[in-house]
Amino acid sequence: SQTIHQWPATLVQPVGSPLSLECTVEGTSNPNLYWYRQAAGRGLQLLFYSVGIGQISSEVPQNLSASRPQDRQFILSSKKLLLSDSGFYLCARGWGTDTQYFGPGTRLTVL
Amino acid sequence: LAKTTQPISMDSYEGQEVNITCSHNNIATNDYITWYQQFPSQGPRFIIQGYKTKVTNEVASLFIPADRKSSTLSLPRVSLSDTAVYYCLVGSNDYKLSFGAGTTVTVRA
Repeated sequence: SQTIHQWPATLVQPVGSPLSLECTVEGTSNPNLYWYRQAAGRGLQLLFYSVGIGQISSEVPQNLSASRPQDRQFILSSKKLLLSDSGFYLCARGWGTDTQYFGPGTRLTVL
Repeated sequence: LAKTTQPISMDSYEGQEVNITCSHNNIATNDYITWYQQFPSQGPRFIIQGYKTKVTNEVASLFIPADRKSSTLSLPRVSLSDTAVYYCLVGSNDYKLSFGAGTTVTVRA
């Protein structure tokens, strides 16, 4: 099976604090990996995608960054969180025309 | 990326067929059409994908006319558990998929 794990499931952080969200993928090698953010009642916004170790493409300039230290690990980070960073963060894998499989998500609340 | 337009919401009753039409006037030759379903606090889940004509699986059917400028997702005999947000996406092998606001389908008893 091709399982996607995300950690943590929920997170409450104060403004200005750092952030680290982790995504790990099982059952496949060299996957294309994606980070999305979904604000309440909105669609998904693509933040980053990666086609391999150390290869990161950013879709939206902001105070977030992503890294891929291992083939099946994708990390989303921030040095200083903003209120507007609150949302539902989803990690996904897949190709452009192939099915994208999503992880369970991380609910982030910045206070 | 081809922009898609779909209704914001649709209401239905159990046992009825639900048809959601998505417009994608600028679809490119290499683009595929994919539909996802999302429940609250979960990631989207793949429903169906097609390029042209009709595609059917155990969950839904996808109708694509010859000009491919629109597509219709058909959910047969919906139940309460089909209440969700449905996204229409158009894209090709450029690694990027753009999710719009989707269509919120509410199924009532």
